[in-house]
Amino acid sequence: GAGVSQSPRYKVAKRGQDVALRCDPISGHVSLFWYQQALGQGPEFLTYFQNEAQLDKSGLPSDRFFAERPEGSVSTLKIQRTQQEDSAVYLCASSSDRHGAFFGQGTRLTVV
Amino acid sequence: QKEVEQNSGPLSVPEGAIASLNCTYSDRGSQSFFWYRQYSGKSPELIMSIYSNGDKEDGRFTAQLNKASQYVSLLIRDSQPSDSATYLCAVTRNNQGGKLIFGQGTELSVKP
Repeated sequence: GAGVSQSPRYKVAKRGQDVALRCDPISGHVSLFWYQQALGQGPEFLTYFQNEAQLDKSGLPSDRFFAERPEGSVSTLKIQRTQQEDSAVYLCASSSDRHGAFFGQGTRLTVV
Repeated sequence: QKEVEQNSGPLSVPEGAIASLNCTYSDRGSQSFFWYRQYSGKSPELIMSIYSNGDKEDGRFTAQLNKASQYVSLLIRDSQPSDSATYLCAVTRNNQGGKLIFGQGTELSVKP
């Protein structure tokens, strides 16, 4: 596709449930980033891939968060045993160089 | 102190005026600087990038960078109501693969 695609757009999870969020980056983009955005705040970095290698996961808030990009294209962000504080918009972005990244529409996660 | 600081606003300007948005950053190793626009409920959209000191103009937008003062600004000339959005400043550092660090964003409201 022409842009970064994320699914689902909206997800409601019961507390304690596991969720998986998908990101399909722009074709050919080497770098892929995951961000978490709370209401009224800027996006907060979670993790970064260059091809299939996860080069930086310093922003993952706990060991309940896990991301993968096994073939260097599609990426999945998994959150285990969701908690209410995990409610946020999860943004995926991809980039082909250091001249800025392009974002998907985001997944709004609500944990009830 | 956050690494990238913006005044959260809201900044209100009349239609046709110049809107001035400001951003400071704390890490002198910051390499590249970006402005993203985010409409309510939408994902961030890249509108400007700047890499060296001085001004960069693109249509009604001008980005200004002063590395000595660790200051980036965005000027929007002839502001339109459609410019009403949150503007996010983002920086990247050397050797971090294009990882964007965002400010909290400034909300701009252009009144007809």
